[in-house]
Amino acid sequence: DQQVKQNSPSLSVQEGRISILNCDYTNSMFDYFLWYKKYPAEGPTFLISISSIKDKNEDGRFTVFLNKSAKHLSLHIVPSQPGDSAVYFCAASYLSGGYNKLIFGAGTRLAVHP
Amino acid sequence: DAGITQSPRHKVTETGTPVTLRCHQTENHRYMYWYRQDPGHGLRLIHYSYGVKDTDKGEVSDGYSVSRSKTEDFLLTLESATSSQTSVYFCAIRSRGTTDTQYFGPGTRLTVL
Repeated sequence: DQQVKQNSPSLSVQEGRISILNCDYTNSMFDYFLWYKKYPAEGPTFLISISSIKDKNEDGRFTVFLNKSAKHLSLHIVPSQPGDSAVYFCAASYLSGGYNKLIFGAGTRLAVHP
Repeated sequence: DAGITQSPRHKVTETGTPVTLRCHQTENHRYMYWYRQDPGHGLRLIHYSYGVKDTDKGEVSDGYSVSRSKTEDFLLTLESATSSQTSVYFCAIRSRGTTDTQYFGPGTRLTVL
């Protein structure tokens, strides 16, 4: 039972356009959400996060939107650049046994082409 | 850069052999985690530690054990490696503060033949 789902395994976008990566979750107890970017042969790199009490967080070209009623979050990248080509993971934080843990989606591979 | 190193970075071993992966951090973080990454599954938590000698199981802990005798080192052991444990293994630390952001090491690619 996947509690965090990224239904699009891949996305192709032209340089300069907007990239929108989506993530759905099922557990209403998640209190914090994160996006990570991963290049081949490297570890995931933290990108941006959002608390469940907010609906938007922005950091430069990256904006994360949270729709709690729909249990949906999205990452917008504007404008997209070739260096953004990577696998993007969304993750949700929850409390279990007194400790915070993360559950990850399966990832979306973004390709930004010139 | 969260000051995390993993060793070895690549390893090929045979079924039934023991394997130990090491995660080393230099910034005195209390919380450390081991994940595995497989196609179609994202990252899944194997074990985590909330201090020296304090560890607990994650969602895919079968076949793995961990030890943390020093703050800076978190070891993951496969007592008898199986082909299903072929994966990329990532160590992570959790930053101090009010958020739950985890930062990852570079990973170890393990192949079990």
